[in-house]
This record gives sequence, structure tokens and C-alpha cells, in this order.
Amino acid sequence: DAGVIQSPRHEVTEMGQEVTLRCKPISGHNSLFWYRQTMMRGLELLIYFNNNVPIDDSGMPEDRFSAKMPNASFSTLKIQPSEPRDSAVYFCASTRGQNYGYTFGSGTRLTVV
Amino acid sequence: GENVEQHPSTLSVQEGDSAVIKCTYSDSASNYFPWYKQELGKGPQLIIDIRSNVGEKKDQRIAVTLNKTAKHFSLHITETQPEDSAVYFCAASSTGRRALTFGSGTRLQVQP
Repeated sequence: DAGVIQSPRHEVTEMGQEVTLRCKPISGHNSLFWYRQTMMRGLELLIYFNNNVPIDDSGMPEDRFSAKMPNASFSTLKIQPSEPRDSAVYFCASTRGQNYGYTFGSGTRLTVV
Repeated sequence: GENVEQHPSTLSVQEGDSAVIKCTYSDSASNYFPWYKQELGKGPQLIIDIRSNVGEKKDQRIAVTLNKTAKHFSLHITETQPEDSAVYFCAASSTGRRALTFGSGTRLQVQP
């Protein structure tokens, strides 16, 4: 099992550009989560999907953020336009159900200059 | 929504000593409490979890205790080793809110 796979590992972009982060969850896991980690705010939930359907997107900061899960093996988090305050590490995680632990990916370190 | 508070923010112990990290939660409906270890440059990794029908769980040098009445749970690491140095996060979720709410993290440093 390759675990949760995120790409890219690092992304440096200029303010105003579109950024797309990608995630492949573990096969058979039916829930997928996007978290953002910063020193100031810790691990914040952005959005999560259950069986490919978005369940709770209340953590998405603003309309510049959007997420999709077109099938059980792929999800994207898009920021358009990006801003310097979006700089953070973005994690994707998946699980096979409530009351089971998450498996996190290695994260994408986003820097917006 | 759920709020999870974690203490201390930093903890330094000597190799071989025990370390205790404490968390409190606000939502009485929470019924699942995992702990994660995050090493530098990596994603958090699940190390132990406990469900609300259990008061204590052990796995080798790691144990977690849960007090549902007081709404707090703790991580205990015995015989600490330098490789235990990392950031530890507690978290909570409920059947109604499936997503985990994380504590702010504890940076544990084990001095050789």
C-alpha cells in the first residue's frame, strides 16, 4: 500500500496565480479530508468528502478555495487567485470510516510570494 | 462545534523519564479520541486511539486514558527515547461530526 499520495511536495507561486493540489487516497477508504497547517492556527479542517460527496466545507476560507473529488481515487484543492496568506502546508488524509484513524499524506508545502 | 485544548505546548524530558500530554474537549457527543505523532517534514501519523466505551488503552510504552465525565484524555509515554522527540497532536470526533478536530500540538523533546 503506497499510502495517501499528494503532489506536488513543494509549490512556489506568485500572488494571483492559480494553484492546484492533488491527492490520491488509500484504495477502499471512503472519506477524504483536506487540512491546512500553519504555526499560528495549527491543523485546520478545510473540507471533507464522504463517498466522493462534499459533506462539510465550512472550513474553506473563502471563495478563492475550491475542492473536488470526481472519483474515489482522486481529489483536488484549488486556490484561485492565490495570496501570500495562503502559504502553509496542506495535508490530505483518508479513512475507511468514523472512529478509524486517518492516514495522512506527506503534505504540500505552498509558498505564495 | 468541537474545541480541543492541549497542554503543554512544549515538553522536555530526560531519556528514560515519562511524558504526559493532556487534552480537554468541549463536545459531550465526541466518542473517538486519536493521538498523532508528527516528525519534521512529514504528515501526522496515528500512534494510538481510544473510543468512548473504554477508559484506558495501552500499546507497549504508550497509553491513553479517557475521562468522559470530565471531558479530558491524556497520552502517557514511558521510558522515553530520543526517537520519541516529535510534535504530538490529540484529536476528537463524534458520530455526528466525522471530521477530527485537532489540539494545538505538544513539542516533545527527549534529551539523551
